[in-house]
Order: sequence, then C-alpha cells, then structure tokens
Amino acid sequence: EVQLVESGGGLVQPGGSLRLSCAASGFTFSTYWMIWVRQAPGKGLEWVANIKQDGSEKHYVDSVKGRFTISRDNAQNSLYLQMNSLRAEDTAVYYCAFGREDSTYTFLKYWGQGTLVTVSS
Amino acid sequence: DIVMTQSPDSLAVSLGERATINCKSSQSVLHSSNKKNYLGWYQQKPRQPPKLLIYWASTRESGVPDRFSGSGSGTDFTLTISSLQAEDVAVYYCHQYYDIPFTFGPGTKVDIK
Repeated sequence: EVQLVESGGGLVQPGGSLRLSCAASGFTFSTYWMIWVRQAPGKGLEWVANIKQDGSEKHYVDSVKGRFTISRDNAQNSLYLQMNSLRAEDTAVYYCAFGREDSTYTFLKYWGQGTLVTVSS
Repeated sequence: DIVMTQSPDSLAVSLGERATINCKSSQSVLHSSNKKNYLGWYQQKPRQPPKLLIYWASTRESGVPDRFSGSGSGTDFTLTISSLQAEDVAVYYCHQYYDIPFTFGPGTKVDIK
C-alpha cells in the first residue's frame, strides 16, 4: 500500500525556518518525481515545488523561490522541504504527492495527509 | 504561468440530478506530440487531501464511480456528475500539468439542494 506521511509542521515566527519531511513507502520512491502542494486555510491548492528522481532538477513556484529548497534522500525514501524566511502567507497545510512514474508532467495520484505550518508571531 | 479558472464558484444540486463544473485554462494544455490534454480533476472533502478523479481530461481514475466524467480539449473542460449522491458533497479542482508551474483552479463547491 502506498503511503506518504508528512511531518515537521508547527508554529513558527515570521522570518523563521522549518523543515518538512515526507516519508514514503509502498512504491519505488526513486523512480518518481515528487511534489509539494500547499493549501492555505479555507483556500485552494497551490503547487509549490517538484524534484526529479535523482534530485538533479528542481522547480519552484515564484512565491517561494530563494526561500524554499526541495530535496530528497532515495536511500531513506524521504522527501524534504526546507522553508526559510517564512511569511504569514506561507501558512498552509503542506502535502507531498506524486503521480506517473518517470514523468515530470504528471497528475497527482497519491497524496499524503498533510502537515500544518502556521507562521505567526 | 497558465491561469486556471472555474465556474461556478459553487452550486447546489438535488440528489440524483446532474452537476456540471467548468474549467478554463489561459492557454491550451493539449500537447501536440501525443494529442493528450494535460488536465486533471480532483475531489476534496473537508479535512482530507485531494483525491484524483480524472486525468488526461477524460480518463477516470481506477475506483472512481462512473457517474463522474470529464470532457473538453484545448482550453475548455467540464467535469460532470451525472447523478449527484450525498457523498459527492465536496470541493472540486481542475489542475493543469502541461507547464511548470503546474496550477490549479480556484475550486467549485458542490452541495445538496
């Protein structure tokens, strides 16, 4: 059974940092692009970042470029999101997700349950 | 960036009746090489992650009831629930995966009338 379990969320002050993790199991993690998607409270979905199977290619939405870093450890079947210089508008539930094997351009078939990040003083 | 819009913002439909949600992309998401529309539909219920319903604009995900169907091509797409059930109350999002950054529509809330 495919499982994605996010962790690392919490309350952080503006300007602070947080590192999210996503533990993957039940599939061959190293063969999929992985994605982070977020959802602000009561709002819609926003694609945040994705990372290639070997970590050699990464893409970000403009609003997080230079502040967030996506990474992965295929030996640990884990995906990460390092979030620096956090702002109130980064407050959201953060989901990790993936879709088609070996494809950048993919729908999102599997989602974790999400972890809540709250940026507030 | 490709901007996704949806209409209506919300709708209320009687049980057993049809619900139709529209999605429009600011540029075509039809890939010329494989003639596939890079468009998906998701259902999200409160306090749950989104669930994939439709991909390639019209391919139903395994296990999704056949009352859900997707149609359209290029820039205009539709999700239809042919006979609304109580468990279909949710927010529905379209999603383009044609170009990075991948983007979602703002969502359409479906309720029972």
